[in-house]
Amino acid sequence: GNSVTQMEGPVTLSEEAFLTINCTYTATGYPSLFWYVQYPGEGLQLLLKATKADDKGSNKGFEATYRKETTSFHLEKGSVQVSDSAVYVCAVVTGGGNKLTFGTGTQLKVEL
Amino acid sequence: DARVTQTPRHKVTEMGQEVTMRCQPILGHNTVFWYRQTMMQGLELLAYFRNRAPLDDSGMPKDRFSAEMPDATLATLKIQPSEPRDSAVYFCASGSGDSGRTDTQYFGPGTRLTVL
Repeated sequence: GNSVTQMEGPVTLSEEAFLTINCTYTATGYPSLFWYVQYPGEGLQLLLKATKADDKGSNKGFEATYRKETTSFHLEKGSVQVSDSAVYVCAVVTGGGNKLTFGTGTQLKVEL
Repeated sequence: DARVTQTPRHKVTEMGQEVTMRCQPILGHNTVFWYRQTMMQGLELLAYFRNRAPLDDSGMPKDRFSAEMPDATLATLKIQPSEPRDSAVYFCASGSGDSGRTDTQYFGPGTRLTVL
């Protein structure tokens, strides 16, 4: 079956620092890849996605590129803000797109 | 701005009581998912429906949990009888798909269940 591995958290950064959260996956076929963000007390919100190799998903300053050769989908942002503090969850879907496989999530804390 | 809605947002109940959680998927979405989130297990898929028909409920404890879609605008998840180990946040998500594919899943805000 599919699996997703994310870097352990929490990740603590100063405001305006560069962010990278690593995500690697194993999947059969042609997976679609997602990053979700979860703020405290809320559900998961789709942050960005990519559906084929070399696609770059982007939203709100965050980017991730679908790298089939390294089976990775690392999340990056050039300058984080305190408001970016949340849990970031990487996910993959294959097999008819019915079942998302989630990573364990990485908590990001951004301090002034 | 279309959103998945869930009710109630919070539920505290005593062991043995019935709990019903409701979800209204985004209008036009034909696939509905139920997830459970705990600190220990993370996000677990409990069940999902397409066009109101259950496609997979293998993640759900069959003896006490049941999921239904009475109509296209309402999905329910029931626990009877509830147990303390059921305490978690339950999320509903919806998406659109055909021919076995589902597009992006959109999550509701969740129901935080506490069973005493």
